[in-house]
Amino acid sequence: GIQVEQSPPDLILQEGANSTLRCNFSDSVNNLQWFHQNPWGQLINLFYIPSGTKQNGRLSATTVATERYSLLYISSSQTTDSGVYFCAVERDNYGQNFVFGPGTRLSVLP
Amino acid sequence: EPEVTQTPSHQVTQMGQEVILRCVPISNHLYFYWYRQILGQKVEFLVSFYNNEISEKSEIFDDQFSVERPDGSNFTLKIRSTKLEDSAMYFCASDSEGYNEQFFGPGTRLTVL
Repeated sequence: GIQVEQSPPDLILQEGANSTLRCNFSDSVNNLQWFHQNPWGQLINLFYIPSGTKQNGRLSATTVATERYSLLYISSSQTTDSGVYFCAVERDNYGQNFVFGPGTRLSVLP
Repeated sequence: EPEVTQTPSHQVTQMGQEVILRCVPISNHLYFYWYRQILGQKVEFLVSFYNNEISEKSEIFDDQFSVERPDGSNFTLKIRSTKLEDSAMYFCASDSEGYNEQFFGPGTRLTVL
């Protein structure tokens, strides 16, 4: 099946710093989403981004489908950004279910 | 804004008991999913459901699991005889057409004692 890798696995930042999280996938996809899992375990949908670039406030994401990667940018990080960030992909022509990456655990220190 | 809801938020059960986890997908969505996340691990696909039948299931979704859409709004996951290793967060999701953005519910944390 498709392999999804995320890097780095762990990231510690000071409040106000910027960061880039990466998601690599091993096959063509027709859907990619980024999620933030908050301390209560809820999956918060950040971006639906099978290709191109999107921005939402301090967060932005870029997917280059032809090169099989996606990036999530967090600028001016805040303590509330802490948690685990997952990317999830739907493999092209292979059903509608998501395959999740292992996540990046982000800790933003005050 | 429409959202996926799940009940209960937390369920504690004894090993061997049956549990039913409930989800209300977004009303005009046609594709429904269950995922689970064992504590500290990644989220795993269990099953997808379309047109009142299972469209895809993973190896995890064995005979102990079943899904149902008993009416026009609810989507349920039943575990017939729970095991300790079924303890996990269970997420329901829906999307409008398949291959579109999936919307996730807040999850049900299942604890099997």
